Amino acid sequence: ILNVEQSPQSLHVQEGDSTNFTCSFPSSNFYALHWYRWETAKSPEALFVMTLNGDEKKKGRISATLNTKEGYSYLYIKGSQPEDSATYLCACDYGGATNKLIFGTGTLLAVQP
Amino acid sequence: DGGITQSPKYLFRKEGQNVTLSCEQNLNHDAMYWYRQDPGQGLRLIYYSQIVNDFQKGDIAEGYSVSREKKESFPLTVTSAQKNPTAFYLCASSYALAANYGYTFGSGTRLTVV
Repeated sequence: ILNVEQSPQSLHVQEGDSTNFTCSFPSSNFYALHWYRWETAKSPEALFVMTLNGDEKKKGRISATLNTKEGYSYLYIKGSQPEDSATYLCACDYGGATNKLIFGTGTLLAVQP
Repeated sequence: DGGITQSPKYLFRKEGQNVTLSCEQNLNHDAMYWYRQDPGQGLRLIYYSQIVNDFQKGDIAEGYSVSREKKESFPLTVTSAQKNPTAFYLCASSYALAANYGYTFGSGTRLTVV
């Protein structure tokens, strides 16, 4: 059974702090990694999809990197704001014909004003 | 606006009853998925469908059934055979190559067995 792990489980920061969290995954037969942001009472929203080793993606103050050889991805948030408070989910696609994603348990970020 | 709609938002079921959760999308996505969330666990795949009239079991399909008669719709039935049905259920859809575009999710249905 493939296991995608996220750390930390939760994180409390002050407004303006920069933060980062980790997604670790089995690198064998890896195809793609997804990051989603899930705000309370809303639907998870896609942030990034990355496939290549060394990929870096950025959306405003949020960026992500991917290392497929060692099986990890980092998500960075620069200058956290209260509206960044959410659960950040990582999910991996191991290819084949199914496009199934295997999800981690998420990192819950709380940004205090 | 295109999107994916799940209904109802909250559902209460008596033990021994079957119940059906609705999932509809107008994004013209080929693939649809049902996931279940339990406290402290990642989303787990129940069933998925890549094309109309075809679907496959996910990792935790026991006690569930689905149908895909239309591209837009992928209802999930939680049967009385599901031993622990109380959970949060999320439906998602994607183009055929999810690696490129990611999933679009519904807002979920919280099912409680009373």
